[in-house]
Amino acid sequence: DVKVTQSSRYLVKRTGEKVFLECVQDMDHENMFWYRQDPGLGLRLIYFSYDVKMKEKGDIPEGYSVSREKKERFSLILESASTNQTSMYLCASSVGQEGTNRVGNTIYFGEGSWLTVV
Amino acid sequence: EDQVTQSPEALRLQEGESSSLNCSYTVSGLRGLFWYRQDPGKGPEFLFTLYSAGEEKEKERLKATLTKKESFLHITAPKPEDSATYLCAVQAGSGYSTLTFGKGTMLLVSP
Repeated sequence: DVKVTQSSRYLVKRTGEKVFLECVQDMDHENMFWYRQDPGLGLRLIYFSYDVKMKEKGDIPEGYSVSREKKERFSLILESASTNQTSMYLCASSVGQEGTNRVGNTIYFGEGSWLTVV
Repeated sequence: EDQVTQSPEALRLQEGESSSLNCSYTVSGLRGLFWYRQDPGKGPEFLFTLYSAGEEKEKERLKATLTKKESFLHITAPKPEDSATYLCAVQAGSGYSTLTFGKGTMLLVSP
């Protein structure tokens, strides 16, 4: 079974704090993703990475950065947390094959991290 | 821009009452359409991938079908444990394997 593990399930942080959300996958997947999920807005892509040290902006990257120093680990960083970043954050991973395979690659999700910024 | 619309937003069924959830999409170059189940407070759990029009996949009481414009998730004789939010997502184009999600259908099955 694919395992995507998010280190923190519930966090409460203060406005202005630097926040790290960590994610590890055990399937040697090339691609890793960070989404946030909000009521009425659904899942929205923040950043993704298709290889170590590589990253691409998603639909809502503002206020976030990411780090991928090892293949299995992908971190989401909130440089200065704000109340509008209170949300559920979902990490995901999939195999690569970009550009060489027209077939879609299944993306597997972790359990989510609930972040409250006060 | 890829668009995914799910309907209805919420659906309440009696146990054993079969129904269908709809996912309509507008994309350029569909690579895959995905169905996920999400329980409250948890991450989405993968159910099915459909790659081309006419394809069907089944798992227990669930059956997913795909046309060129929409997908249906048919639920046959549902049980209370089928209660969850069902998410539809698409991968499209020739770029990276990101997903565009619909907003989901919240299903409640009453005993």
